[in-house]
Amino acid sequence: GAVVSQHPSRVICKSGTSVKIECRSLDFQATTMFWYRQFPKQSLMLMATSNEGSKATYEQGVEKDKFLINHASLTLSTLTVTSAHPEDSSFYICSAKGRGAVGETQYFGPGTRLLVL
Amino acid sequence: DAKTTQPNSMESNEEEPVHLPCNHSTISGTDYIHWYRQLPSQGPEYVIHGLTSNVNNRMASLAIAEDRKSSTLILHRATLRDAAVYYCILVSYNTDKLIFGTGTRLQVFP
Repeated sequence: GAVVSQHPSRVICKSGTSVKIECRSLDFQATTMFWYRQFPKQSLMLMATSNEGSKATYEQGVEKDKFLINHASLTLSTLTVTSAHPEDSSFYICSAKGRGAVGETQYFGPGTRLLVL
Repeated sequence: DAKTTQPNSMESNEEEPVHLPCNHSTISGTDYIHWYRQLPSQGPEYVIHGLTSNVNNRMASLAIAEDRKSSTLILHRATLRDAAVYYCILVSYNTDKLIFGTGTRLQVFP
């Protein structure tokens, strides 16, 4: 089946530093990738949608200059949290959608847990 | 986006069937009904989806009401590994977005 990976699985960083999270579709080409954030005991919140080769579309209230998204290839999207602060600590999850049979649903990565000290 | 309403939590015993309800009274004709589940500390996992007819796959069955204003996810024999939060999400044919609600937390007891 369609597999999506994320790296790293968890990261701890100091306040003010930037953190990059990678999302890869391992066995299919992802025409669209999505980034979500999930705080403890809450549901997933969609942050942005990215299509390969074009700029990401951000949801209302999500700062595009703080959460930089790059979807440079059909198998890789990256989310960079710039100048991270403790309130950015969260569980970040990506998903991917392709064409054909893998285009009917989204396939999720295992998530990246970010802790900003 | 059309919204869904699910009970906050449900309980089941192992090897018993589980019926997870979802109300979506404002569903439009082009909205698909998707179900995902999220195990603790993991990303969501696709379960099943349908439009009008009932659907079956290896994980579950989806029963859709005739007026499409409600649906039920059926786990035929619950296992401990089915303990998760189950999300019922409406997806329009012209958008890829998944808007997650609060879902139903299913507890399965041995």
